[in-house]
Amino acid sequence: NAGVTQTPKFQVLKTGQSMTLQCAQDMNHNSMYWYRQDPGMGLRLIYYSASEGTTDKGEVPNGYNVSRLNKREFSLRLESAAPSQTSVYFCASSEDARSSGNTIYFGEGSWLTVV
Amino acid sequence: QKEVEQDPGPLSVPEGAIVSLNCTYSNSAFQYFMWYRQYSRKGPELLMYTYSSGNKEDGRFTAQVDKSSKYISLFIRDSQPSDSATYLCAMYNSGGYQKVTFGTGTKLQVIP
Repeated sequence: NAGVTQTPKFQVLKTGQSMTLQCAQDMNHNSMYWYRQDPGMGLRLIYYSASEGTTDKGEVPNGYNVSRLNKREFSLRLESAAPSQTSVYFCASSEDARSSGNTIYFGEGSWLTVV
Repeated sequence: QKEVEQDPGPLSVPEGAIVSLNCTYSNSAFQYFMWYRQYSRKGPELLMYTYSSGNKEDGRFTAQVDKSSKYISLFIRDSQPSDSATYLCAMYNSGGYQKVTFGTGTKLQVIP
């Protein structure tokens, strides 16, 4: 059981380049999330998808777009990368974002450097 | 001031010690409290989940919530080198995971 799988694991981008982080979960979860983790800042929610067909902004959405391709897949796109987007990105999923008490499962992370 | 404060450490303890990890928070509406463990270069994994005040025990781990003091703790008994990781606290009031606020994490090193 793979859980939450995200690719790529490492990426170096030049300022202004675009890229897409891919995420897939095999737990039949309704809800999926993208977080970024920065030193001293903790995990911050970028976007989430409570269910297939819906997406909503989180705490730090500027500079990002997302697509909930189907129930399994949730991608994060950087249209014009900036050095401030250098971070570790985590995809996560849970049974239902609108319900309390369910467990959130994280992927292994994607290390992105923008130069 | 951050809504959730957590000492970044690092905290170094000898194997077998009792470890106490703590978070303070300012939002009195928080009702759900979690502890995650994150190994280096890995994603966080949920360790403990507590609703409202009180204690919860799972093996060597005990989570405590004191809502009156806005203070939560994670105790690890008989600590092992495999417990060496960063521990994140997280909390939210309602509405599910889109409202979760995470602490910045405390790095723990258990020395054999």
